[in-house]
Amino acid sequence: KAGVTQTPRYLIKTRGQQVTLSCSPISGHRSVSWYQQTPGQGLQFLFEYFSETQRNKGNFPGRFSGRQFSNSRSEMNVSTLELGDSALYLCASSSNQETQYFGPGTRLLVL
Amino acid sequence: GESVGLHLPTLSVQEGDNSIINCAYSNSASDYFIWYKQESGKGPQFIIDIRSNMDKRQGQRVTVLLNKTVKHLSLQIAATQPGDSAVYFCAEMGVIQGAQKLVFGQGTRLTINP
Repeated sequence: KAGVTQTPRYLIKTRGQQVTLSCSPISGHRSVSWYQQTPGQGLQFLFEYFSETQRNKGNFPGRFSGRQFSNSRSEMNVSTLELGDSALYLCASSSNQETQYFGPGTRLLVL
Repeated sequence: GESVGLHLPTLSVQEGDNSIINCAYSNSASDYFIWYKQESGKGPQFIIDIRSNMDKRQGQRVTVLLNKTVKHLSLQIAATQPGDSAVYFCAEMGVIQGAQKLVFGQGTRLTINP
């Protein structure tokens, strides 16, 4: 099976812009979770989607949002970007809400 | 946030030696634990998992030990190789704010000396 794929791999934006990141889960996996990884804060949970519904949510502001499509592909959106949003954004898919398999991540740089 | 990653501990070992990476988890009700390996520029890669009804599980060159009494998890890597150089994260599946979530530890950087 193909692994989790994320696009784009790298992105540069400026403050105030918005960005959309995409994730395609492993075939057959219906759960998709998003994480933000920074050197200072480590891996932080953003949200999880299952069957097109947000099932879990972390402690991030409303500027961070996501959605999931009927084919389980997911997107996350960050509006009004801030410098502190620079991070590696990781997507993980799961078939059972336990073992999560990660994609390579999208590295976002906000200038 | 729900994970801590302020100071990344580092473990240096000689190639061929065994490595032991330790992790303390926070939620005594967590019943599922995973070790991930993250190489530079890549996403975390699943290594091995263990449920709370077990205290040891072995994989290929890796062993995970779980001590629920002191909430401690360890990953043992046998005959460490250069390709084992990475950051290793433990993760616990726990209920936070009424929802089941995977919470990651801070990570340990493993470096291999030739």
